[in-house]
Amino acid sequence: RKEVEQDPGPFNVPEGATVAFNCTYSNSASQSFFWYRQDCRKEPKLLMSVYSSGNEDGRFTAQLNRASQYISLLIRDSKLSDSATYLCVVNIGGSYIPTFGRGTSLIVHP
Amino acid sequence: EAQVTQNPRYLITVTGKKLTVTCSQNMNHEYMSWYRQDPGLGLRQIYYSMNVEVTDKGDVPEGYKVSRKEKRNFPLILESPSPNQTSLYFCASRLGNSNQPQHFGDGTRLSIL
Repeated sequence: RKEVEQDPGPFNVPEGATVAFNCTYSNSASQSFFWYRQDCRKEPKLLMSVYSSGNEDGRFTAQLNRASQYISLLIRDSKLSDSATYLCVVNIGGSYIPTFGRGTSLIVHP
Repeated sequence: EAQVTQNPRYLITVTGKKLTVTCSQNMNHEYMSWYRQDPGLGLRQIYYSMNVEVTDKGDVPEGYKVSRKEKRNFPLILESPSPNQTSLYFCASRLGNSNQPQHFGDGTRLSIL
């Protein structure tokens, strides 16, 4: 079983839709959590960190469920420009070694 | 501007010809790492370094070497490149043992013929 798992998608949604992704992790020593966005053939860019109490940044909301060992990303009012791959990253253990999910592809169409 | 700089951005070379991909960061970060990204396989860590003169193998270290003689630089060395090392490579850095996220370079696209 992979340490960090994501549904690869693609999630194909119309503009204005609300879409949610989950990411599950298996290591209970996971310390910190992030969502990155990656456009085709470009570098991953930090979208947001995920805090225990949940956090929001504009149209994006991230949540952490430690009991069930997953994090989620909710995107409201999807824009065409949201089309990308969304990577879940978990820092594991005392050295905070980053472990990546394989990403979830989102396609927003007109 | 805070950044991670990789060079070259693109390289086409031949099997067996040693090459080095440089990575430099200006954020005084202790932690640096190298990843390769292949279709369907996601980002896989090659090597990482927690600080100067401290390096460790990641998930796919075979065929690669690294060094960390200075805090800002973390070059990736392919002593004898082979076609299966054709990939998109990213360097990243972060504050040491921390909950902080990594910052990525723009990537290096290597083609080994």
